[in-house]
Amino acid sequence: GAGVSQTPSNKVTEKGKYVELRCDPISGHTALYWYRQSLGQGPEFLIYFQGTGAADDSGLPNDRFFAVRPEGSVSTLKIQRTERGDSAVYLCASRAQRSPLDEQFFGPGTRLTVL
Amino acid sequence: AQSVAQPEDQVNVAEGNPLTVKCTYSVSGNPYLFWYVQYPNRGLQFLLKYITGDNLVKGSYGFEAEFNKSQTSFHLKKPSALVSDSALYFCAVRASNTGGFKTIFGAGTRLFVKA
Repeated sequence: GAGVSQTPSNKVTEKGKYVELRCDPISGHTALYWYRQSLGQGPEFLIYFQGTGAADDSGLPNDRFFAVRPEGSVSTLKIQRTERGDSAVYLCASRAQRSPLDEQFFGPGTRLTVL
Repeated sequence: AQSVAQPEDQVNVAEGNPLTVKCTYSVSGNPYLFWYVQYPNRGLQFLLKYITGDNLVKGSYGFEAEFNKSQTSFHLKKPSALVSDSALYFCAVRASNTGGFKTIFGAGTRLFVKA
């Protein structure tokens, strides 16, 4: 079956622009996570959705970052007024509600470059 | 606050020799501990998880990890390394007693297995 997909795979934008990053989780997975991974670092937690609601958004760095999941499936991470420091790989992961292993399935990521 | 430390940026081991990748953690309450692997040009993949019970957890590809509560460690091990094990390994933790699902990852350890 299909895994987690993320689009675009690469995004180059200019400082100050607005970007949207999309995540399609595995069908039926109710939990969805966004992470940011900078070069040489591990994934940094941004936000966690359970269904349509953001259960934990404590990792969002500031109010320029926002994420939605209106129908409990596809999620969009939105970044306003992008800064060069936002350049990173943005990872999405999904998890089944009753996964005994609590395993997160990761997408390939979107590489964001802010010039 | 939750945190994970992977003290080694890189581990080198000869094929056929045992390998250990170290991880220590800090979390309030009982931890859920994970290991994930990232192969070149591929997404993060789940290896194994500790919830409770036996301190030695067995996972994918012959890997295992040993939970040590007194030392707050969760080291990844394999009795006989393969060249194909060369990859980037991440340890992760989340608290089990708060109902939250925020997962914290370490910075990663790059494993090189030499033929």
